[in-house]
Parts: sequence; C-alpha cells; structure tokens
Amino acid sequence: DARVTQTPRHKVTEMGQEVTMRCQPILGHNTVFWYRQTMMQGLELLAYFRNRAPLDDSGMPKDRFSAEMPDATLATLKIQPSEPRDSAVYFCASGLVLTGRTDTQYFGPGTRLTVL
Amino acid sequence: GENVEQHPSTLSVQEGDSAVIKCTYSDSASNYFPWYKQELGKRPQLIIDIRSNVGEKKDQRIAVTLNKTAKHFSLHITETQPEDSAVYFCAASIRTGRRALTFGSGTRLQVQP
Repeated sequence: DARVTQTPRHKVTEMGQEVTMRCQPILGHNTVFWYRQTMMQGLELLAYFRNRAPLDDSGMPKDRFSAEMPDATLATLKIQPSEPRDSAVYFCASGLVLTGRTDTQYFGPGTRLTVL
Repeated sequence: GENVEQHPSTLSVQEGDSAVIKCTYSDSASNYFPWYKQELGKRPQLIIDIRSNVGEKKDQRIAVTLNKTAKHFSLHITETQPEDSAVYFCAASIRTGRRALTFGSGTRLQVQP
C-alpha cells in the first residue's frame, strides 16, 4: 500500500530559525502539492509541481517560503526565517495528472510546525 | 479562481440516521469533485469522488450527487456509525491548467451513539 511520507512529523522551533520539511511522493506520481492547514484558514494550497517543475506557488509568501523538487522522490518546503504565524500543519499530497483527467490526490501524514 | 462553499460547518446526528453535507462551486470548468474525511490528528483521506460526466456515485453507505447546472454536489452518509465522526472536506478542481484542489471549509460530523 503505497503512501506519501513526510518528515519530520513534528517540529518546534524558535522564531527566526530555518525550517525544512520533506516529502516523498508515491512512486510514479507526477504531481506534488503542498498545503497548509490551520483552524482559521482551513486547507490552503501553497505550491504545486508537475514533473518536478513548479507550476503554481501563488499561495506562498515569497519572501520567506520556498519549495523545490530536487528529484522525483523528494519535495522540500523551506521557511526562512520562520514566524509564529507559520504555526500550522503542512501537508504534502501527490497524484497522477494525465491529459484531460485529474486523478486522486493522496495526502501525507503532515508536519505539525510550532514556531515559538 | 475557484471558490468552494461547504455547509453546514457542524452536524450532529444520532447513530443510524443519515447525514448530508452540501457544497457549491463557482468555476463551471470544474470537473472533478472528491470528498475527504479527516480524523483528529490524521491526514485527509479520500472517501469518494465524482467526475462531471456522472450524476451520482455510490459506495456502500456513502453516496455523492452532482448537479452541474446548479454547480453543487453533496455527500450522503446513510446508517451513520460513531466511527463516521470526523471532519469532512469537499473539493473541486478543473480539467486544465492548475488542477490543484480548492477545498471547502469542512464539516465536523458528530454521530451520537
């Protein structure tokens, strides 16, 4: 049963520190999404990759967030410097998008980030 | 961009009753409508989805209906059980372009034993 994996599962850090979250998509999937979940804003899309190329990062605060996909098995989301308002659960999801058809997105377990 | 509205925000039913959650979407180009269930502290998990060429889909106690003209879709859970208690999210995405999901705000379902 293939699953999306994320590390770390929990991260507590101090304001101003760099945070790196990692995601391993399901093998064979060609799209990776980063979402942020908070009580106030619900599930928000931060960034989206297809075939490792960034397609949309309009949901991300550009000055402090960056998302990359150095290879097909690893996606990263970095926050530098982190702020208390970044405290949230960050989910990675992967899926297979084919021409004319959107397939299911499968979520990872999330990284719960707390910035003090 | 796409906007998805979900109602109600909370729903409490007695075990064995039915539960209905409704969503409306704004972009008529949307053609894929999944529903996710999220238990406390867990990841959202897909429970059922429907595409725009289908009006209704059923999987045991769960069904989803889609009305493309009115741009709304609904989740129906029959014979509810305490383990159905969770937050349910609807979502929509379009066939071309971004194809990321736009989520509704979630419905917290509580099934009372």
